[in-house]
Amino acid sequence: AQKVTQAQTEISVVEKEDVTLDCVYETRDTTYYLFWYKQPPSGELVFLIRRNSFDEQNEISGRYSWNFQKSTSSFNFTITASQVVDSAVYFCAPDRGSTLGRLYFGRGTQLTVWP
Amino acid sequence: EAQVTQNPRYLITVTGKKLTVTCSQNMNHEYMSWYRQDPGLGLRQIYYSMNVEVTDKGDVPEGYKVSRKEKRNFPLILESPSPNQTSLYFCASSLRFWETNEKLFFGSGTQLSVL
Repeated sequence: AQKVTQAQTEISVVEKEDVTLDCVYETRDTTYYLFWYKQPPSGELVFLIRRNSFDEQNEISGRYSWNFQKSTSSFNFTITASQVVDSAVYFCAPDRGSTLGRLYFGRGTQLTVWP
Repeated sequence: EAQVTQNPRYLITVTGKKLTVTCSQNMNHEYMSWYRQDPGLGLRQIYYSMNVEVTDKGDVPEGYKVSRKEKRNFPLILESPSPNQTSLYFCASSLRFWETNEKLFFGSGTQLSVL
């Protein structure tokens, strides 16, 4: 059975520190997509990135970067030079690959960035 | 403006009183889905629909019904709400996220309290 784990329940950092959020997805599917979403205190869900299981190239977008390693089933997300506005709950969400339409969210990591 | 609209934003009801949470999208998306969010549990999929008249169960369908009579609408029905259905509900839509390089669009959420 598939399993997505965000082992860090809460992380606190001081502004300008780098922070990495971990996500491990265990599955027998060979083809799948992985999403990261952000939920700020206002409650809406904000899309950050979508990667497929064939693409292990790291991706950088501004202060955000993602490291996907299929061999370890990890899809980690790093924020460089964190800011107070980065404070949010971050969700890792893999689709179920072989089961179309099923998108499964991790339990989320609460990131708090202090000024 | 492309959007997913949920109504109501907040709802307080009593046990056993049937209610419907509406969801509508204006992007001609084929896929729609309902999630509930509870503290520490992340988002869990209730039901999803791949197209008109095609619906299927997610991880936590008990106590819920859905219908997809037209492409734009996907209402969530609680025939006999119970206190354990107190939660934050999100509706989402997508063209075909498992085939295309796109995200899910989420509504703003409905906070439901069942007394």
